[in-house]
Amino acid sequence: AQSVTQLDSQVPVFEEAPVELRCNYSSSVSVYLFWYVQYPNQGLQLLLKYLSGSTLVKGINGFEAEFNKSQTSFHLRKPSVHISDTAEYFCAVSDHENSGGYQKVTFGTGTKLQVIP
Amino acid sequence: DTEVTQTPKHLVMGMTNKKSLKCEQHMGHRAMYWYKQKAKKPPELMFVYSYEKLSINESVPSRFSPECPNSSLLNLHLHALQPEDSALYLCASSQVRTGNTGELFFGEGSRLTVL
Repeated sequence: AQSVTQLDSQVPVFEEAPVELRCNYSSSVSVYLFWYVQYPNQGLQLLLKYLSGSTLVKGINGFEAEFNKSQTSFHLRKPSVHISDTAEYFCAVSDHENSGGYQKVTFGTGTKLQVIP
Repeated sequence: DTEVTQTPKHLVMGMTNKKSLKCEQHMGHRAMYWYKQKAKKPPELMFVYSYEKLSINESVPSRFSPECPNSSLLNLHLHALQPEDSALYLCASSQVRTGNTGELFFGEGSRLTVL
């Protein structure tokens, strides 16, 4: 079984300031890690993913995340946010097992990033 | 632009109506998913189809009936819904080949309101 914890339900930040959205996971097996973004009234869009290799992962829109195995964390960062980054951000994990040709993805509860002008 | 297309974008129905949500993808993905998302909550998995066969039903009430007519299409048939079923319904797809990373490709969703 796996779980994802996003402790911050809302994160307000001023425009052009840096931001970090926190994500911790728990799993008994190796996992893939993802960050998805959801703009109002839209579906989810993949920001970035960690599969293996370098622990620093770069994604779209200037976001990056660092995988820390010892702390079981996958925090999302951006050095300077824009108004357009206002959205809901979901951390997610998927295990390496491939039963039935699909993988079950577990989502965190989400963090609302509110960028203040 | 999303490569997973959902129709309709908005649907209002009464509790006695029968309606359907449709989802289409042309990425060659052989796994397709229905998720339900309530406001300010993460998506909740409802159904998974793998190679057009139902693989997961997360104890969803029978008033929701999924159908996968072919590898590109996924439907969700709705009948006798309750007001608490009002939500955003998201369709997603993924690869199933060896090395599948579990990355999901989502449509923009169908916003359902049950009166």
